[in-house]
Amino acid sequence: GENVEQHPSTLSVQEGDSAVIKCTYSDSASNYFPWYKQELGKGPQLIIDIRSNVGEKKDQRIAVTLNKTAKHFSLHITETQPEDSAVYFCAANQYNFNKFYFGSGTKLNVKP
Amino acid sequence: GAVVSQHPSWVICKSGTSVKIECRSLDFQATTMFWYRQFPKQSLMLMATSNEGSKATYEQGVEKDKFLINHASLTLSTLTVTSAHPEDSSFYICSARDQGTSGGSQFFGPGTRLTVL
Repeated sequence: GENVEQHPSTLSVQEGDSAVIKCTYSDSASNYFPWYKQELGKGPQLIIDIRSNVGEKKDQRIAVTLNKTAKHFSLHITETQPEDSAVYFCAANQYNFNKFYFGSGTKLNVKP
Repeated sequence: GAVVSQHPSWVICKSGTSVKIECRSLDFQATTMFWYRQFPKQSLMLMATSNEGSKATYEQGVEKDKFLINHASLTLSTLTVTSAHPEDSSFYICSARDQGTSGGSQFFGPGTRLTVL
């Protein structure tokens, strides 16, 4: 089955700096990679996703890059703000199959 | 974006009682819904995949007789924790897959905090 690894487990940055979270996957058949943000006591919220037919996707301060050859994808947050502080999860999925494989999560702390 | 609701948001019950959690997709039809369990500071653990009109598919190690799942309509799935015990206390989160306009993305509910005394 698929195995998704996520690094780092914790990340602390100063407000205004950039943050990068990286994930690797093992199954080359995976073709859909979403990122979720989970605030304390709440359910995960989809913030951005990318499909294997593109290498990069951007939405305001958030971007995701995908390297299919190396089987890794990354979340980039620029100009971080205190409200970006949360736990972020990456996931991998084969679009025609239901199961999503999640990374172990990264706790991002943005210091004001 | 697609919205998934969950009810109740928290519940406290006595050991031995059963608790039902509802998961609804509010603005889309979900042929597939998922139930997860999350322990503090850990990732999401998939319990089962629920398909509308058919039996749920449980992950290895999840007791199907203890965690009853019903997906009776395209917008509603329920999880019933039967004869709950303190070790069942956890954060339960449902999600629904939007095969329509969102192209198969998975959207999560807000979660239900279950505490069994």
